[in-house]
Amino acid sequence: GAVVSQHPSRVICKSGTSVKIECRSLDFQATTMFWYRQFPKKSLMLMATSNEGSKATYEQGVEKDKFLINHASLTLSTLTVTSAHPEDSSFYICSAGQMDKPGNTIYFGEGSWLTVV
Amino acid sequence: GQNIDQPTEMTATEGAIVQINCTYQTSGFNGLFWYQQHAGEAPTFLSYNVLDGLEEKGRFSSFLSRSKGYSYLLLKELQMKDSASYLCACMDSNYQLIWGAGTKLIIKP
Repeated sequence: GAVVSQHPSRVICKSGTSVKIECRSLDFQATTMFWYRQFPKKSLMLMATSNEGSKATYEQGVEKDKFLINHASLTLSTLTVTSAHPEDSSFYICSAGQMDKPGNTIYFGEGSWLTVV
Repeated sequence: GQNIDQPTEMTATEGAIVQINCTYQTSGFNGLFWYQQHAGEAPTFLSYNVLDGLEEKGRFSSFLSRSKGYSYLLLKELQMKDSASYLCACMDSNYQLIWGAGTKLIIKP
């Protein structure tokens, strides 16, 4: 089946620095990628939806300037957490699909644990 | 508003059968997904229903009734490794996924 790869799986960064997380669809062209955040024992929280070649659509309450999302190609989207703070520590998950084709499954990456110290 | 409801937690015995229900209210409908998520891991796809009826896939089956806004995930011959959270998600008319809060399934020997 389709595979979505996310990298890095774990990252520790210092407060004030930026960190980039990559999401790749390995065997299909993902017209749409989703970025989620998940706190322990909580459900997924959609941060933004990105369509290839256009600006991401952010959910209410998500800071666009802090969480930079780029979807430059049909197989790659990146999430950059800028000027990270300890409260940004979380599990970040991407998913990808072909939203112009009804019925296509949404596949998830492996997730990235971010720890800001 | 859009809403997905599923039980917070369920407990079942190894070898038994469990049914996890999900009801939804969304703006339009383009299918319903079930995902499994083990603690600390990303969700993995289990099933997709867009037409009424039962879809069977090994030990797992998923049912959909669009007129009732209702779905269930049926797990048979439960194994300890089935202990996880099960997420119901509905795709609305804009192809956006609306997520339930997930059902934590606890399997006891």
